[in-house]
Amino acid sequence: AQSVSQHNHHVILSEAASLELGCNYSYGGTVNLFWYVQYPGQHLQLLLKYFSGDPLVKGIKGFEAEFIKSKFSFNLRKPSVQWSDTAEYFCAVNALGQNFVFGPGTRLSVLP
Amino acid sequence: GAVVSQHPSWVICKSGTSVKIECRSLDFQATTMFWYRQFPKQSLMLMATSNEGSKATYEQGVEKDKFLINHASLTLSTLTVTSAHPEDSSFYICSAPGTLNTEAFFGQGTRLTVV
Repeated sequence: AQSVSQHNHHVILSEAASLELGCNYSYGGTVNLFWYVQYPGQHLQLLLKYFSGDPLVKGIKGFEAEFIKSKFSFNLRKPSVQWSDTAEYFCAVNALGQNFVFGPGTRLSVLP
Repeated sequence: GAVVSQHPSWVICKSGTSVKIECRSLDFQATTMFWYRQFPKQSLMLMATSNEGSKATYEQGVEKDKFLINHASLTLSTLTVTSAHPEDSSFYICSAPGTLNTEAFFGQGTRLTVV
């Protein structure tokens, strides 16, 4: 069965600091990888996704993620966070035709 | 992207009553929809997969008689929490998959509080 872990439960940063949120998954086959963001009081929104090709994918709002197959990782990065990035971030995986499996989430708090 | 609308956004009900939550795909047809439950500070946990025209598939540990799912059309799935109890209070989210299940489109979620 697939599983997803996220390294940090809560990350607190000051504005302009760099961000990296860790995500590891366990699954032996080919997977699609996603990062979703949930702003306070809002629904989940897709930040970026990886299916194949260039392992460095760029998403919305300046986020990017790198797929490292050998490490089963898909870490999310942003060079300079803003207060408006305060949200809950979920890493998710799915294999073709199968359900999404979400990580436990990482709460990001950005201090102004 | 595709839009999934969930209604209501929040609901408060008394113990023992039933609550229906609707999930609509607004600009596409969804033969499958997923229902999740999210506990505070925890991730989304898949409850069941709703299939248009057939019975829903429930995850292990989810009571199908308590969480009734109906997927009567290609654009509407409903989740009814029957005889609700305070422990059913949670955030319920529906989603519909994109083409080949390569993306998920989420509803706004419904916060249920049972008093």
